Amino acid sequence: QQQVKQSPQSLIVQKGGISIINCAYENTAFDYFPWYQQFPGKGPALLIAIRPDVSEKKEGRFTISFNKSAKQFSLHIMDSQPGDSATYFCAASRGDYKLSFGAGTTVTVRA
Amino acid sequence: DAGVIQSPRHEVTEMGQEVTLRCKPISGHNSLFWYRQTMMRGLELLIYFNNNVPIDDSGMPEDRFSAKMPNASFSTLKIQPSEPRDSAVYFCASSADRKAFFGQGTRLTVV
Repeated sequence: QQQVKQSPQSLIVQKGGISIINCAYENTAFDYFPWYQQFPGKGPALLIAIRPDVSEKKEGRFTISFNKSAKQFSLHIMDSQPGDSATYFCAASRGDYKLSFGAGTTVTVRA
Repeated sequence: DAGVIQSPRHEVTEMGQEVTLRCKPISGHNSLFWYRQTMMRGLELLIYFNNNVPIDDSGMPEDRFSAKMPNASFSTLKIQPSEPRDSAVYFCASSADRKAFFGQGTRLTVV
């Protein structure tokens, strides 16, 4: 039973475009929502994270939007670049404890 | 800090053999996780240690899997006997302040 549902499975975007990945969760006890970026042959790397007391967090070209009432959060990649081509995972956790990961979204940025 | 260090990076073994995967967490991190990644099941948590003590091993597939953390700087994941369905990439991650950092992974192939 997957606790975090992620969509789409894959997306293709033109260089300079916006990539949007969505996640939904059920467990209201979750209080930490990170996004990880994974390149082939590498481990997932923490990209950006948000807590439910804020609705948006921005770091460079990456923005998390969080909707607590809808139990949804999303990652926006602005001005997408070929180097952003990777698999992105949303995750959620409660306490300093295990991360429940979404299924992942493969992003391809076309030059 | 060199990050989370895993060894070996690749392991090919025959069915029935014992396999030991190793992990050196980031110094000062008090939580350690073993994850398994496959195309079919995504990222699955196998076991979670806090301050070297196993807290949750509910993700360990079966008794063939065991994990130890004898001290704060070393952990092992052992599979005995190994089976072809154990083929996957195994990640170790350590965390502090909710931020989890992953190693490069061990790609295990059981033939």
